[in-house]
Amino acid sequence: GDSVTQMEGPVTLSEEAFLTINCTYTATGYPSLFWYVQYPGEGLQLLLKATKADDKGSNKGFEATYRKETTSFHLEKGSVQVSDSAVYFCARRTGNNRKLIWGLGTSLAVNP
Amino acid sequence: DAGITQSPRYKITETGRQVTLMCHQTWSHSYMFWYRQDLGHGLRLIYYSAAADITDKGEVPDGYVVSRSKTENFPLTLESATRSQTSVYFCASRETGVTDTQYFGPGTRLTVL
Repeated sequence: GDSVTQMEGPVTLSEEAFLTINCTYTATGYPSLFWYVQYPGEGLQLLLKATKADDKGSNKGFEATYRKETTSFHLEKGSVQVSDSAVYFCARRTGNNRKLIWGLGTSLAVNP
Repeated sequence: DAGITQSPRYKITETGRQVTLMCHQTWSHSYMFWYRQDLGHGLRLIYYSAAADITDKGEVPDGYVVSRSKTENFPLTLESATRSQTSVYFCASRETGVTDTQYFGPGTRLTVL
């Protein structure tokens, strides 16, 4: 069935390091793709999205490119900060446009 | 306050008791969702609603009941709580149409003893 797979965490980085969190999906067609972020003690919030192949979503220094060839939507940031410590979720839209299919989440800890 | 709120934020109950978690949104969004978040399982959809009086099951609906008599409210009831329902519960909403963005409440941490 349709699914979203993220790299397992936790990921621990030093401040100013480069971040990549891998996300791949299975789907029929080209669904919209999303990254959500959950800061400690809070609900999830949308970080960025891409609605079609080759689109690049970006926000707060994070970027992800919709790669249909590799069915991937990897999250990247060139220089992470302590404030980026959070859990990151990759998701895709379902075919009937009513729900999202979620990855399991990747925990990121950034040390000063 | 505008947005999506959940109450209570923390709840401790005993096995077999009925518990209702409340969710309220001020945007008049058509869609509302209930998720539970557990370590190792990520987010799992319990129930969702496309409009008032329209609800549908998600991945893990057993042991839960929902209703939606008003657009802005979407309560989740555990009719007879079990220890396996100890979790963090999130409510979310979104508009109908092209946008897919879901807006999440702050969550309710439920402990069943």
